[in-house]
Amino acid sequence: EAGVAQSPRYKIIEKRQSVAFWCNPISGHATLYWYQQILGQGPKLLIQFQNNGVVDDSQLPKDRFSAERLKGVDSTLKIQPAKLEDSAVYLCASSSWTGGVKETQYFGPGTRLLVL
Amino acid sequence: GEDVEQSLFLSVREGDSSVINCTYTDSSSTYLYWYKQEPGAGLQLLTYIFSNMDMKQDQRLTVLLNKKDKHLSLRIADTQTGDSAIYFCAESASYNTDKLIFGTGTRLQVFP
Repeated sequence: EAGVAQSPRYKIIEKRQSVAFWCNPISGHATLYWYQQILGQGPKLLIQFQNNGVVDDSQLPKDRFSAERLKGVDSTLKIQPAKLEDSAVYLCASSSWTGGVKETQYFGPGTRLLVL
Repeated sequence: GEDVEQSLFLSVREGDSSVINCTYTDSSSTYLYWYKQEPGAGLQLLTYIFSNMDMKQDQRLTVLLNKKDKHLSLRIADTQTGDSAIYFCAESASYNTDKLIFGTGTRLQVFP
């Protein structure tokens, strides 16, 4: 089966500009996650969707970050305006979790963002 | 609080065993995971262990869990150059959200 797809793979922008990332999860996966991985650190969950509803966005900087998953399939993550400290790899993952027993999260290749 | 710690770097000779260690703080964690990340790639799930187990073996991989000390380890037998990567330990912090808390990662370097 096809894995989690993300685009673009790389993005370079100047601070205060806007940027958007796209994720297409594995077909049939109800749950989608966006993680931020700063260089030298482990991934940190930004937001989790189950279908098109938000399950957890407690670590999403809502003054500049937004995410949506309108039809319960693809998702976009936006940063507006970007800051230097947003330079990181943004990983999308999906799973078939719908509550209860844990399901494996499958990760995409990530989008590497550099803010100058 | 939620915190997962790992040593930053490990270097081993090809053919030797590697042991990567991890400590976590959330005693309510139900699953603990090991992920592998190669340069420029996403995370690949290697193995996981349920919190009521103390050992799990999967081919060259052995996971040991000491729940009393909140210590998790990953042993790779007969380490190969293709095993060179960053290894992340993760705990499933909350039953309701399925959120994963990752460690900082251990860079494994395998030399001939």
